[in-house]
Amino acid sequence: QKEVEQDPGPLSVPEGAIVSLNCTYSNSAFQYFMWYRQYSRKGPELLMYTYSSGNKEDGRFTAQVDKSSKYISLFIRDSQPSDSATYLCAMSGTNTGNQFYFGTGTSLTVIP
Amino acid sequence: NAGVMQNPRHLVRRRGQEARLRCSPMKGHSHVYWYRQLPEEGLKFMVYLQKENIIDESGMPKERFSAEFPKEGPSILRIQQVVRGDSAAYFCASSPGAAQETQYFGPGTRLLVL
Repeated sequence: QKEVEQDPGPLSVPEGAIVSLNCTYSNSAFQYFMWYRQYSRKGPELLMYTYSSGNKEDGRFTAQVDKSSKYISLFIRDSQPSDSATYLCAMSGTNTGNQFYFGTGTSLTVIP
Repeated sequence: NAGVMQNPRHLVRRRGQEARLRCSPMKGHSHVYWYRQLPEEGLKFMVYLQKENIIDESGMPKERFSAEFPKEGPSILRIQQVVRGDSAAYFCASSPGAAQETQYFGPGTRLLVL
């Protein structure tokens, strides 16, 4: 079983739609949860991070963490064509070393 | 404020040659991480370094791969006697401290082994 599972998609939505991206994980020691956006042939760009359970909002992006279900989500409101990218979830914990554990990424296309 | 710099961006090597990948962390960052990304796979941790120290190399293959972060200059990931299976994108990330949530990534080096 992989440490972090993420549906690779691809996901295609019309402009203005609400997008939901999700990851599940198996290691209960994870405490820090990150979302990265990666454009084609570029490096991952940190979008959001949350600590432990709860919600965090930043503009059109909302990150949710449910540690009891080992499930995290990223919501994108009013999606734009410029949001078309691969979205990677990442996780770490104080007892899991300094590495991040990444999902395989979900490819998103927002159609104008 | 320059981000994480990596060079070269693209590197082509023939089997058996050496590949050297360089990473300059963000200004003020003293912690460097190397990850490898294979097609259809997520980023996989390789090694974590601070200046002049390897802190965690649990993700590094036991042979042919080495990394350093000298007192002066960039961090180097060295792959000796490359094989076709080494073809991948190699990303460097940096953080200001050993914080869990603030690793910033460079643009990557895409290695192609012929």
